[in-house]
Amino acid sequence: DGGITQSPKYLFRKEGQNVTLSCEQNLNHDAMYWYRQDPGQGLRLIYYSQIVNDFQKGDIAEGYSVSREKKESFPLTVTSAQKNPTAFYLCASSIAGTGHNQPQHFGDGTRLSIL
Amino acid sequence: GQQVMQIPQYQHVQEGEDFTTYCNSSTTLSNIQWYKQRPGGHPVFLIQLVKSGEVKKQKRLTFQFGEAKKNSSLHITATQTTDVGTYFCAGPYSGAGSYQLTFGKGTKLSVIP
Repeated sequence: DGGITQSPKYLFRKEGQNVTLSCEQNLNHDAMYWYRQDPGQGLRLIYYSQIVNDFQKGDIAEGYSVSREKKESFPLTVTSAQKNPTAFYLCASSIAGTGHNQPQHFGDGTRLSIL
Repeated sequence: GQQVMQIPQYQHVQEGEDFTTYCNSSTTLSNIQWYKQRPGGHPVFLIQLVKSGEVKKQKRLTFQFGEAKKNSSLHITATQTTDVGTYFCAGPYSGAGSYQLTFGKGTKLSVIP
């Protein structure tokens, strides 16, 4: 059964700590994305990647880092430089076709809170 | 990235009433997508509109893309409690050929039984 798996579902971060959110997909999609969702703010793009070993910053990349070593995996690290990390984090993937945008498939998300 | 503005932010309706949410852009969009996010869930793709003036229907949901391709709407006829959630529109992130999306802030629909 194809899909996107995010883990953990809930995560707590201590001050000064880096934490990594996992995102794995078995849809054979080339493009992957990380979004942050805050109440009333919609989805804001953090990072995106169209191909292995390549990724680009989105609108709110400061305090975050990513890697794309495998097509299936796109982990997001929330660093201690991100001073307001409490949010709902969503990972998505899509076909990276040319022309019109492709529908994005989302994982169930990770809720990150500060201890 | 370019922005898409969505209104209203919240809508409360009595079950059986109709509901409409609107999405507007200052620039022409090559396409627009709509997503639904149930409470506590993740966004789920509903539909994509590409052509000027396009209208698509999914049961009680009607999606329209404006003639100038700068606005879009989602209309739900005779709402049901299962329609509860936040509806997002999303357009191309920036410029032609962009594969990323920029999302509106969403319209949160509450249905009173």
